[in-house]
Amino acid sequence: NAGVMQNPRHLVRRRGQEARLRCSPMKGHSHVYWYRQLPEEGLKFMVYLQKENIIDESGMPKERFSAEFPKEGPSILRIQQVVRGDSAAYFCASSPFDEQFFGPGTRLTVL
Amino acid sequence: KQEVTQIPAALSVPEGENLVLNCSFTDSAIYNLQWFRQDPGKGLTSLLLIQSSQREQTSGRLNASLDKSSGRSTLYIAASQPGDSATYLCARFRNSGNTPLVFGKGTRLSVIA
Repeated sequence: NAGVMQNPRHLVRRRGQEARLRCSPMKGHSHVYWYRQLPEEGLKFMVYLQKENIIDESGMPKERFSAEFPKEGPSILRIQQVVRGDSAAYFCASSPFDEQFFGPGTRLTVL
Repeated sequence: KQEVTQIPAALSVPEGENLVLNCSFTDSAIYNLQWFRQDPGKGLTSLLLIQSSQREQTSGRLNASLDKSSGRSTLYIAASQPGDSATYLCARFRNSGNTPLVFGKGTRLSVIA
């Protein structure tokens, strides 16, 4: 059973561009979480999704950020019009019920 | 507001030493708790999950305990090895079942050969 997969592993964008981060959960896991780790800070929750539903987006910035988990395919975290402050590691986790398993992360650098 | 504090922020020990990492919470309404390790530039590896009805969990040289009355968890590492060098993160579940995790800032452990 492959682990949680994230791609790309590294992403460089210029200010104003869009960033799309993908997460494929472990087989059989229907719960997906996105977290962000800013330099020298702890991991912060962003959004929790199940298939086709956003369950909790209380940690998501109100503007420019969106997430989806379609019936088919990976979960997508989308950041529009990126700014330098968006530079961070973005981690996805999946869960069958409680224990969460993390992917390797996508490191976003905004120039 | 749920907060998780990990002490110490960094720790350096000689190989072979037993050590304890601490994690504390601001409120005692603890549900499940999960310990992770994170290697530099890498993702998180789940070490142990302690469910709210349990007091401790063990895996190999690792033992994690949960004391809900005092709002604390400890991760005990026996006979430390250089390969144990990493950042150890404690995370509490916000509620029962499938809920987001609230993380501490971690303890950066260095085991010196």
